[in-house]
Amino acid sequence: EDQVTQSPEALRLQEGESSSLNCSYTVSGLRGLFWYRQDPGKGPEFLFTLYSAGEEKEKERLKATLTKKESFLHITAPKPEDSATYLCAVVNSGAGSYQLTFGKGTKLSVIP
Amino acid sequence: DTGVSQDPRHKITKRGQNVTFRCDPISEHNRLYWYRQTLGQGPEFLTYFQNEAQLEKSRLLSDRFSAERPKGSFSTLEIQRTEQGDSAMYLCASSSHRGRYEQYFGPGTRLTVT
Repeated sequence: EDQVTQSPEALRLQEGESSSLNCSYTVSGLRGLFWYRQDPGKGPEFLFTLYSAGEEKEKERLKATLTKKESFLHITAPKPEDSATYLCAVVNSGAGSYQLTFGKGTKLSVIP
Repeated sequence: DTGVSQDPRHKITKRGQNVTFRCDPISEHNRLYWYRQTLGQGPEFLTYFQNEAQLEKSRLLSDRFSAERPKGSFSTLEIQRTEQGDSAMYLCASSSHRGRYEQYFGPGTRLTVT
C-alpha cells in the first residue's frame, strides 16, 4: 500500500527565515510526486510535479526536489502570504486511475 | 475563469437525509476525481471517471454513496441516508489525458451532518 509521510506537522517561521518541508514516500513504482498548497476552507492548489530522482522545480520562493525515497520543499525567505498547509501526494505507476495518495500535510505559519 | 467549480460550497443536513453535490471540471479534461478530506488529514480518493465511465471506486465508498458523470461533462456525488461520520469536505478534481497527471481541484463542498 502506498504511504506518504510529511514532517513536521506544523512549522512556524519568522519572515525571511528559510526552511524545508519533508515528504517521505513508499510506493511500488512512482509515476509522479506532487506538491499542493491549501489555504483554510479551500481546495488544494497545484504547485509542482516531479517525475524522477534528481529532478528539481522552482516557483518564486519555493523549490521542490526529489530523491528515490523523499522529496523536499525548500522555502527561501518566506513571507506571511506563504502561510498555508502544504500537501505532498504520489501517483503509483500501477494505478490505472492515476489517483493521488496524500500525506497529512505540513501547516506553515510565517510570522511578520 | 475556467477552473473546476463545485456547488454548493456548504451544505448542512440532518442525519438520514440525502444530499447531492455537483462538480464542473475544466472543459478539456476527460478525467474526473472525487476526494474526501476531514480536519487535519490529506484528501482521500473516493472515485474516478474517464469520460462518462466510472472506472474505479475506493473501498471507502460505501453503498450509500453514488456518483455519475453523464455525457462525460459535469459529475454528481450523492450520499443517501447521511450519517454524522459523513461530515467532511468533498473535493472534486480534474486532469487532462495528454500524458500529464497533475490534478486541479475545485473549492470543495463542506458537508455538515447534524
